[in-house]
Amino acid sequence: EVQLVESGGGLVQPGGSLRLSCAASGFTFSTYTVAWVRQAPGKGLEWVSSITGSGVNTFYADVVEGRFTISRDNSKNTLYLQMNSLRAEDTAVYYCAKVFILAAGRGADYWGQGTLVTVSS
Amino acid sequence: DIQMTQSPSSLSASVGDRVTITCRASQTIGRYLNWYQQNAGKAPKLLIYAASSLQSGVPSRFSGSGSGTDFTLTISGLQPEDFATYYCQQTYSAPPWTFGQGTEVEIK
Repeated sequence: EVQLVESGGGLVQPGGSLRLSCAASGFTFSTYTVAWVRQAPGKGLEWVSSITGSGVNTFYADVVEGRFTISRDNSKNTLYLQMNSLRAEDTAVYYCAKVFILAAGRGADYWGQGTLVTVSS
Repeated sequence: DIQMTQSPSSLSASVGDRVTITCRASQTIGRYLNWYQQNAGKAPKLLIYAASSLQSGVPSRFSGSGSGTDFTLTISGLQPEDFATYYCQQTYSAPPWTFGQGTEVEIK
């Protein structure tokens, strides 16, 4: 059974930093792209960042480029998101998601339960 | 980035109704279009990928259609557990893969 368990959320002041983790199990972690998707309170879904299985290729939404860094440790089956220079608008539930890529299509087929990040003074 | 626009933003329906949600892309995306369901306080769930392919385990009352810029999610025979928010997502070219703003399906 595929499982994704996020941790590391919490309350942080504007300008501060936080590192999220996502522990994966139930699939061959190193062969899959994984991603972070966030949802601000009462708002829709926003694709934040993703990283390929090898870790060589990373992608970021424009609003987090230069402030957030995605990484992974395939020996620990764990995905990370280092968030620096946090802003109030980064307040959201952050979901970790496993990405599938087929010839016909691609998307997020498994999601964690999410971890809440609150940026406030 | 490619913009995704869903309509309506919300709708009211009864159990057993046929419901249709539309998603329009700001440029052609082929069939790289997914649909997700999200219940309140829960993580999203993949329903449809590649515009019309049903994800494993998803009931057959859910169906998707479309290509290019216009897409549709149809729920044939709404069930109580289907009252939720639905999002489309484009996965054309490189990430970020943008979502529509969501459509909330409420009980009439």
